[in-house]
Formats: sequence, structure tokens, C-alpha cells
Amino acid sequence: EVQLVESGGGLVKPGGSLRLSCAASGFTFSSYSMNWVRQAPGKGLEWVSSISSSSSYIYYADSVKGRFTISRDNAKNSLYLQMNSLRAEDTAVYYCARDSAVGSGYDWNFDYWGQGTLVTVSS
Amino acid sequence: SYVLTQPPSVSVAPGKTARITCGGNNIGSKSVHWYQQKPGQAPVLVIYYDSDRPSGIPERFSGSNSGNTATLTISRVEAGDEADYYCQVWDSSSDHPGVVFGGGTKLTVL
Repeated sequence: EVQLVESGGGLVKPGGSLRLSCAASGFTFSSYSMNWVRQAPGKGLEWVSSISSSSSYIYYADSVKGRFTISRDNAKNSLYLQMNSLRAEDTAVYYCARDSAVGSGYDWNFDYWGQGTLVTVSS
Repeated sequence: SYVLTQPPSVSVAPGKTARITCGGNNIGSKSVHWYQQKPGQAPVLVIYYDSDRPSGIPERFSGSNSGNTATLTISRVEAGDEADYYCQVWDSSSDHPGVVFGGGTKLTVL
């Protein structure tokens, strides 16, 4: 059974940093591109970042570019999101999601999602 | 950047057909994916590549995409279909390629 479990969320002050993790199991993690998607309270889904299976191709939303860094450790079956210079508008539930394509590319649809971790940016 | 426009809400009686639209400039040239999200839960992929259904998704869910509008159709609507629905595409047409989600549509079963 595919499982994605996010952790690392919490309360942080504006300007602070936080590192999210996503532990993957039940599939060959190194064969899939992975993604972060967030959802502000009461709002819609917003894509944050994507990373290919070998970390060769990385993409960011304009809203986080230069502040957030996506990475992965295939040996540990883990996905990460380093978030710096956090702002109030970064407050959201952050979901880890798997791209459905097997291999080095993307299908750009997300077939499995974690339950999310809440990040609150407030003084 | 590319914009996807969804109606904020759609209401339908049980047993009837619900249609949720997703508008975008020449969206018919892109692959559209749809997600269902129930309160307090993670999104679930219900349609991918315009009209394909993942395993486990009922045949009542179908999709189409042409011109400037993609449509998610739910036939014989059930109370359990009440949820928020999001369309999504990959936009490679700009200097800043990325994933785009529609604003979401709340489906209410009357």
C-alpha cells in the first residue's frame, strides 16, 4: 500500500525557517517524481514545487522561488521542503504528492497524496 | 500565467447529473486532471488525461476537454459525491512553467 506521511509542520515566526519531510513507503520511491502542494485555510489547492526521480529536474511556483528548496533522498525514501524567509501567506497545510509517471519524467497528475502537515506563520 | 476558472459552486439533486466546468485559454490543447477533496481529507485523483479514470473510481465519473472548456461529469449523483472538485493542468507555455489548479468547485447534493 502506497503511503506518504508528512512531518515537520508547526508554528513559526515571520522570517523564520522550517523543514518539512515526507516519508514514502509501499512503492519504489526512486522511480517517481514527487511534489509539494499546499492549501491555505479555507482556500484552494496551490502547487509549490516538483522534483524528478533523480533530482535532475526541479520546478517552483513563483510565490516560493528563491525561498523554498525541494530535495529528496532516495536511499531514505524521503522528500523534503526547506522553507526560509517564511511569510504569513505561507500558512497552509502542505501535502506531499506522487506524480503518476514511472521513471525519469512527469505525467503532471498526482495519484497519491499524504494527509498533510500544517504550517502556521505568525508572530 | 495560465488561469483556470471554475464555478464556485454547483448544486444537484441525488440521481441527477452534475457538470463542473474548468475554463482556460485553449485548454483543449492541454491535459486536464480532476481531483475530489472531502472536508478534512487529502485530494483524490478522479480523472486524468481529460477522461481516464484511476482504478477504484466509479464509472459515474467522466471527463471531456475541448476548445476553452474542460468538463467533469458525475452521473447518478450520490450524497457521498458532495465535495470540492479541482481541475489541474501543467502549463509549459510561459517563461515560468508550472502546475496550475483551478479555484475549486463545491458540489452540493440537495
